[in-house]
Amino acid sequence: DAGVIQSPRHEVTEMGQEVTLRCKPISGHDYLFWYRQTMMRGLELLIYFNNNVPIDDSGMPEDRFSAKMPNASFSTLKIQPSEPRDSAVYFCASSLQIPPNTGELFFGEGSRLTVL
Amino acid sequence: QQQVKQSPQSLIVQKGGISIINCAYENTAFDYFPWYQQFPGKGPALLIAIRPDVSEKKEGRFTISFNKSAKQFSLHIMDSQPGDSATYFCAASIRNTGFQKLVFGTGTRLLVSP
Repeated sequence: DAGVIQSPRHEVTEMGQEVTLRCKPISGHDYLFWYRQTMMRGLELLIYFNNNVPIDDSGMPEDRFSAKMPNASFSTLKIQPSEPRDSAVYFCASSLQIPPNTGELFFGEGSRLTVL
Repeated sequence: QQQVKQSPQSLIVQKGGISIINCAYENTAFDYFPWYQQFPGKGPALLIAIRPDVSEKKEGRFTISFNKSAKQFSLHIMDSQPGDSATYFCAASIRNTGFQKLVFGTGTRLLVSP
């Protein structure tokens, strides 16, 4: 399997612009997670989906952030308008239902966002 | 109560030495404690995990020690190698919901010097 695929790997944009990050989870995984990683706050869970349905978006910092999962193989995280404090690495991860599996999270390689 | 506190923030160990990273939690409902390893430019990947019904789990050079009464757990890397240089995250979750909603520690950046 190719693993979790994220794009773009790097994004540099100006404050106020719309940013869209994309994720393709591992085929067959039931859950999809969006995390944000910063030096100050570490890994923060933003939102997660189960079978394409958003379950908990309590980690989404503000209304400027939105996430969708239109089908089992694609999800987007959108920031509109972007601000410099949104600069971070955004990770997508997927996992299988537990049991019978271990619940291991499989992370993509991340999208590094810089907002100038 | 949902926090997992991790220390130290960074660690330098000589090749062949023992690396020790500590984590503490408050929520006694946590019942699964994985460690994730992250290399630069990559996403975190599961390294080893433990449930609170055992006090220790060993996989190769990596050992988790778990102290349920103290609500602490630690990762020991024996015979540390330069290839172990990475950021390590402890985490905790409650596994009764069909999936893992992990709470991560803030990470420890380990550098193993040659």
